[in-house]
Amino acid sequence: AQSVAQPEDQVNVAEGNPLTVKCTYSVSGNPYLFWYVQYPNRGLQFLLKYITGDNLVKGSYGFEAEFNKSQTSFHLKKPSALVSDSALYFCAVRDHGDSNYQLIWGAGTKLIIKP
Amino acid sequence: SAVISQKPSRDICQRGTSLTIQCQVDSQVTMMFWYRQQPGQSLTLIATANQGSEATYESGFVIDKFPISRPNLTFSTLTVSNMSPEDSSIYLCSVEMGQLPGIQYFGAGTRLSVL
Repeated sequence: AQSVAQPEDQVNVAEGNPLTVKCTYSVSGNPYLFWYVQYPNRGLQFLLKYITGDNLVKGSYGFEAEFNKSQTSFHLKKPSALVSDSALYFCAVRDHGDSNYQLIWGAGTKLIIKP
Repeated sequence: SAVISQKPSRDICQRGTSLTIQCQVDSQVTMMFWYRQQPGQSLTLIATANQGSEATYESGFVIDKFPISRPNLTFSTLTVSNMSPEDSSIYLCSVEMGQLPGIQYFGAGTRLSVL
């Protein structure tokens, strides 16, 4: 069965420091991987996705994520955090062979950037 | 990309009544999804609504409780029927667009409180 784990409910980072939000996944085949962000009282917004190829994926707002097949991970990173990055972040996965087009969502990680 | 308008943005309803949530997309899309989200928590897929076919419901969700209409490629409704306080949640619609795997674009959500 497909699954996504975001092991941290909350991550606290000082402004200007690098940030990492962790995600690990489990699929039977090859994964499509996604990161979405949800700002308070707003809908989810797409950040980036991994399909195939280069393991480092760059996305919106200066975020990037690294696909690691051996560790089945897709951690979200940013070199220098901004207070405005404070939000709820979701990792999601879909198996290449899944005809349902469903995304399997992680539990979410609340990112708090302190000035 | 897609712009999704979801109405109402919030509502307070009495037990036993029904609420219909509307989702309007600014372009034609095949796949639409309806999710439920408790504040600060992950997304739970209610159903997938493709135009021209019956909606496909996930385990734990039934058509009698959550009837869905999909009359055309830009519009869908989700009705929450015979509401109870347990139905209090945020309801989100989304569409998938773009080259496979597509990106999901979300409405701002409907925050429902049932008294």
